Amino acid sequence: AQKVTQAQTEISVVEKEDVTLDCVYETRDTTYYLFWYKQPPSGELVFLIRRNSFDEQNEISGRYSWNFQKSTSSFNFTITASQVVDSAVYFCALSEAGDYKLSFGAGTTVTVRA
Amino acid sequence: KAGVTQTPRYLIKTRGQQVTLSCSPISGHRSVSWYQQTPGQGLQFLFEYFSETQRNKGNFPGRFSGRQFSNSRSEMNVSTLELGDSALYLCASSQGQGLSGVNEQFFGPGTRLTVL
Repeated sequence: AQKVTQAQTEISVVEKEDVTLDCVYETRDTTYYLFWYKQPPSGELVFLIRRNSFDEQNEISGRYSWNFQKSTSSFNFTITASQVVDSAVYFCALSEAGDYKLSFGAGTTVTVRA
Repeated sequence: KAGVTQTPRYLIKTRGQQVTLSCSPISGHRSVSWYQQTPGQGLQFLFEYFSETQRNKGNFPGRFSGRQFSNSRSEMNVSTLELGDSALYLCASSQGQGLSGVNEQFFGPGTRLTVL
């Protein structure tokens, strides 16, 4: 069974600080996909990134960056120079090949104070 | 391109009633998934449809059912509502092609169901 753990329940930072969200996953499949979603107070889940298990290249996109390490089954997400608009719940999710479903972690609530 | 739309946005029902929620995917998307979000259980997968066929189903009782139409629109139905069914029901659409599993899923705003 697949499982996603986000150990951090809440993170509170002051604007312009960096925020790193941890995600650890469990799967028996060799082919799988990892996702990060953001859920602002409006409630709609916003897709941020999808990575597959055979691509460990880390990426930076604007103020967002991702660190995928298969050796430790981790897929961490960093917001650089946080802004108040980054305040939201962030979810890590896993999908195994051919499964057609997302298994979500419990989410991490990020609060950025001005 | 218009996003995923869900109707109604809010719904209040009483125990024992049934409810139907509707989801219209992004144009061109053939896969529709449904998720239930509650404070206690978090985000849980209900089912996924592609070209009118259910490809996967979550661990929910038979009171929860769904279907997809030829235009990719989807409905989910909950019969004999229980207090515990109060939740935000989210619909997501994706292209759904191939054997790679879940593509990027784009979520709608959700339907907030309250069961009294």
